[in-house]
Amino acid sequence: DAGITQSPRYKITETGRQVTLMCHQTWSHSYMFWYRQDLGHGLRLIYYSAAADITDKGEVPDGYVVSRSKTENFPLTLESATRSQTSVYFCASSGAGANTDTQYFGPGTRLTVL
Amino acid sequence: GDSVTQMEGPVTLSEEAFLTINCTYTATGYPSLFWYVQYPGEGLQLLLKATKADDKGSNKGFEATYRKETTSFHLEKGSVQVSDSAVYFCALSAVGAQKLVFGQGTRLTINP
Repeated sequence: DAGITQSPRYKITETGRQVTLMCHQTWSHSYMFWYRQDLGHGLRLIYYSAAADITDKGEVPDGYVVSRSKTENFPLTLESATRSQTSVYFCASSGAGANTDTQYFGPGTRLTVL
Repeated sequence: GDSVTQMEGPVTLSEEAFLTINCTYTATGYPSLFWYVQYPGEGLQLLLKATKADDKGSNKGFEATYRKETTSFHLEKGSVQVSDSAVYFCALSAVGAQKLVFGQGTRLTINP
């Protein structure tokens, strides 16, 4: 029972580089989400997806790109990383059974942009 | 828009003390309300939830009651343990929406 996994767990990159964070879930949940966690801000929604090929912006989408060609995967790409994107990124999924409103979170990716 | 406000942290208590973490929200209608917990180095996990007014969510000795009249969902536990040390997030999802809106989180430390 793998649940929801993220890779890599830690990443250091340089300003201007492209970075892709991976998220994979094994529950066939329809919804998937990307959040960033910063001190004093709690979690802020970057992008979310209601199903394969359906994505929408959250609160802080600028500088990020997502895609969802398969239900189980939801990669997040930083096209040209900036220092302000240094953060911990969490992927989550929801949407099956009786608890469709409950989100299940991955372990997070700690990204540092130098 | 919808928002969640939690009490400022960090909170430090002794083992077996009573815990309250305040949470108030702003939203139209009757949102679903949640408490998530984040243990060190881990992702968030659902602690409890309530989906309608006067509902009480409970889990692991924690409780929270959905108070529509005060737009609050305060988290309580009668006797905390060292293992309860974590960051606690209050959150809401609007009616018919899957997105969560989080408070800023409250870091709780329990000393033996």
